[in-house]
Amino acid sequence: QSVLTQPPSASGTPGQRVTISCSGSSSNIGSNTVNWYQQLPGTAPKLLIYSNNQRPSGVPDRFSGSKSGTSASLAIRGLQSEDEADYYCAAWDDSLDGWVFGGGTKLTVL
Amino acid sequence: QVQLVQSGAEVKKPGASVKISCKASGYTFPNYYMHWVRQAPGQGLEWMGIINPSGGGTSFAQKFQGRVTMTRDTSTSTVYMEVSSLRSEDTAVYYCVRSQQLRNGYFDYWGQGTLVTVSS
Repeated sequence: QSVLTQPPSASGTPGQRVTISCSGSSSNIGSNTVNWYQQLPGTAPKLLIYSNNQRPSGVPDRFSGSKSGTSASLAIRGLQSEDEADYYCAAWDDSLDGWVFGGGTKLTVL
Repeated sequence: QVQLVQSGAEVKKPGASVKISCKASGYTFPNYYMHWVRQAPGQGLEWMGIINPSGGGTSFAQKFQGRVTMTRDTSTSTVYMEVSSLRSEDTAVYYCVRSQQLRNGYFDYWGQGTLVTVSS
């Protein structure tokens, strides 16, 4: 059972907008920044969003992140088939003194 | 360009130990923390611990304290992780990942992963 809670699955059709939620607590999301990682099948995870809402160079602006209180969200607009992947949220946890991840959300493009 | 290149796959028996390496290049090695994250088959990501390549200090997730060791060799820009008393539940892909900050940082580069299989 992961410290951060994500829905196990999400889906959408090409061109749609989808959101993935990540719920935590005051010791992690509530007091630290949130990062999102994308893991394509058979590959290592890749940084997608950092510091709640910042995109690394090369990440399309179709991807956006937000945080409010002890929850965060990843939004993908203009969904494309290549977005089919697992998505993970992560944050530092002050109580555990370490990094914690969400359980991951498998995104399916229908 | 930044690269983290890990050692190859390992097959170990229960009770044995495994030592994985991660060679960094393309950046100033002491300036970035190195973490280890693992992923069991079909499962999510799990943070194991961190090493500060500058001074060698380490910190581990409680679950791994006493069973995991992390070291570094600054002359070759390589970090090592050793897991002892292996059990079947340790079968996973192990990734080294770097971050510039400890708390409000992020994992910007990942190694390719090393599959460790624990089986009798």
